[in-house]
Amino acid sequence: EAQVTQNPRYLITVTGKKLTVTCSQNMNHEYMSWYRQDPGLGLRQIYYSMNVEVTDKGDVPEGYKVSRKEKRNFPLILESPSPNQTSLYFCASSFGQGPNQPQHFGDGTRLSIL
Amino acid sequence: QQQVKQSPQSLIVQKGGISIINCAYENTAFDYFPWYQQFPGKGPALLIAIRPDVSEKKEGRFTISFNKSAKQFSLHIMDSQPGDSATYFCAATSGGYQKVTFGTGTKLQVIP
Repeated sequence: EAQVTQNPRYLITVTGKKLTVTCSQNMNHEYMSWYRQDPGLGLRQIYYSMNVEVTDKGDVPEGYKVSRKEKRNFPLILESPSPNQTSLYFCASSFGQGPNQPQHFGDGTRLSIL
Repeated sequence: QQQVKQSPQSLIVQKGGISIINCAYENTAFDYFPWYQQFPGKGPALLIAIRPDVSEKKEGRFTISFNKSAKQFSLHIMDSQPGDSATYFCAATSGGYQKVTFGTGTKLQVIP
């Protein structure tokens, strides 16, 4: 089954404790992206990647890191999480990026940082 | 600063009615305008999308109307059904479709 898998789905942690949210897709997609969803703000793009070793900043990259060492994986790293990073996070992928290249989203990771 | 402004925040429509969600943008560099549908506990899913050189696109009961001069676009859901109850996001892409900016979302409830 074609899917985007995020882990963990839920996490409660404390300020300053490094964490990684993994994202994996099995569709051989080139493009991957991370978003955070907050009430009243919609989804905001954190980082995106056009291919292995090619990443770029979205609208809200501060406090986050990403890496793309393999095509299928695009982990999101919070080196020193803070309470303002409490949010619902989505990973997405697509074969390319453009018309007729729909993004496939994972089911989300809910992070609570105390 | 929200680059894509979406309204209304919430919408209640009777079954069989027309649901209309509006979006406006300022950035003329936007090059593609998708709409996403999101059900509770799930990630968004692409519903329909339009390029800026097209004024209208229809897929089944869903229609996008696009007004380039006014920098506005809207989603119309005809014959709305309870199964359409979800949150809808408009979006716009730039940078060769790589950067995606979303609206704030509209929670639609279709009542029987």
